Amino acid sequence: AQSVTQPDIHITVSEGASLELRCNYSYGATPYLFWYVQSPGQGLQLLLKYFSGDTLVQGIKGFEAEFKRSQSSFNLRKPSVHWSDAAEYFCAVEGGGGNKLTFGTGTQLKVEL
Amino acid sequence: DAGVIQSPRHEVTEMGQEVTLRCKPISGHNSLFWYRQTMMRGLELLIYFNNNVPIDDSGMPEDRFSAKMPNASFSTLKIQPSEPRDSAVYFCASSYASGGGEQYFGPGTRLTVT
Repeated sequence: AQSVTQPDIHITVSEGASLELRCNYSYGATPYLFWYVQSPGQGLQLLLKYFSGDTLVQGIKGFEAEFKRSQSSFNLRKPSVHWSDAAEYFCAVEGGGGNKLTFGTGTQLKVEL
Repeated sequence: DAGVIQSPRHEVTEMGQEVTLRCKPISGHNSLFWYRQTMMRGLELLIYFNNNVPIDDSGMPEDRFSAKMPNASFSTLKIQPSEPRDSAVYFCASSYASGGGEQYFGPGTRLTVT
């Protein structure tokens, strides 16, 4: 069965600093990978997705993620964080058919002004 | 596009009462998912449907929980009888089941059982 690990529960960065959120997955075949963001009191919003092809994918709000098969990783990055990026971020993997997603436990991002 | 619609947004009920949560997926989507989110357990998949048929209900915690999808534009999640430990935010999501389809989430229903 597939699984997702987000090793960082909380991360704090200063506004304007760069950001990298880690995600490691376990899946036997080529996975479909996703990053979602959840603002307080809101549902989850898709930031970006990887299905195949170029391993560096661009998303909304200036985010990007890189798929590294050798490391089973799909880390999320942003070169300059804005205060409005403070939220919880979830990595997810789809495998086994039926569009069933397995989510990581999430990383809570705090942005210091 | 109105997105995934959930109602009610907030529900407060007493232990032992029946609770019904409702979801309208995005038009044209043929997969629908119910999730529960709590601080302790994070985001859990309860059940999902493809073409209105339940495919995997292994996440449904117990017999008190039931879900239906009578047609492509409506689903319900029912808890009967409700218990305080059912307090959580319940999300509905939909997608187009072509393989790898991203899920679109509703705003959630915050359930409080006293």
